[in-house]
Amino acid sequence: GDSVTQMEGPVTLSEEAFLTINCTYTATGYPSLFWYVQYPGEGLQLLLKATKADDKGSNKGFEATYRKETTSFHLEKGSVQVSDSAVYFCALRGQGGSEKLVFGKGTKLTVNP
Amino acid sequence: GAVVSQHPSWVICKSGTSVKIECRSLDFQATTMFWYRQFPKQSLMLMATSNEGSKATYEQGVEKDKFLINHASLTLSTLTVTSAHPEDSSFYICSANGGSYEQYFGPGTRLTVT
Repeated sequence: GDSVTQMEGPVTLSEEAFLTINCTYTATGYPSLFWYVQYPGEGLQLLLKATKADDKGSNKGFEATYRKETTSFHLEKGSVQVSDSAVYFCALRGQGGSEKLVFGKGTKLTVNP
Repeated sequence: GAVVSQHPSWVICKSGTSVKIECRSLDFQATTMFWYRQFPKQSLMLMATSNEGSKATYEQGVEKDKFLINHASLTLSTLTVTSAHPEDSSFYICSANGGSYEQYFGPGTRLTVT
C-alpha cells in the first residue's frame, strides 16, 4: 500500500539556518503530496501541496518540489525563525480522487534564537 | 479559515467505561469527517471515514464495535470508545473535508485510560 517516510527528528537549528526535512513516498500512479505543520497545542494545518510531478508548493518561505523520479517531496526553508518551531508531517493522497491521507511519522523542529 | 474543534481536549477514564469525543466544524459544513489515532512518535493512523447520515467506513484492523462513530449532522461527528482499556490510551484527531479534498484538522483529544 501507499506509504510515506520522512526523516527522523528531532531537528534543532539556530535562527536563520537552512532547513531540509526529507520525505519520500511509495504509491502507485501520481499521488498528491502535502506538508502539514502542527504548532504546539494546535491542530494540523496545511503548509503546502503539490498535485503533479515537478510542481513546487510554497508558503511562508517553505518550499517543496514533487520529484517523481526520486519519489520525493523534501521540505526546505532558507532561513528558519523561532516561530517555525513545530512538528512537520509529510503526507500523500492517492491518485483517483481518494480523500484518504497517508502520513509520515512527523519531524519535530526546534529553532533556537 | 475553516476551524474544527474537538471536545474534550483531554480526558481520563477508568478501564471498562466509555468515553465520547466530539468533533465539530465551526464555520463550514462537512459531509465527510475522518478520525485518526496518533501514538507517541508515530504517524497519524486513519481509523475511519465518517459520512453524514451513513455508517462510517473503518480501516482494516479497527474494531468498529469498540470505536463507535456517529456523524449525525453536517457539523458534528462523534467517536465513542466503548469499554476502554489502557491500550486505548492515545491521541485522537479528527479532520473535516472542507471541499476540494482539503482536510481541516482539530487540535486532538488525549485519552488516558487508567
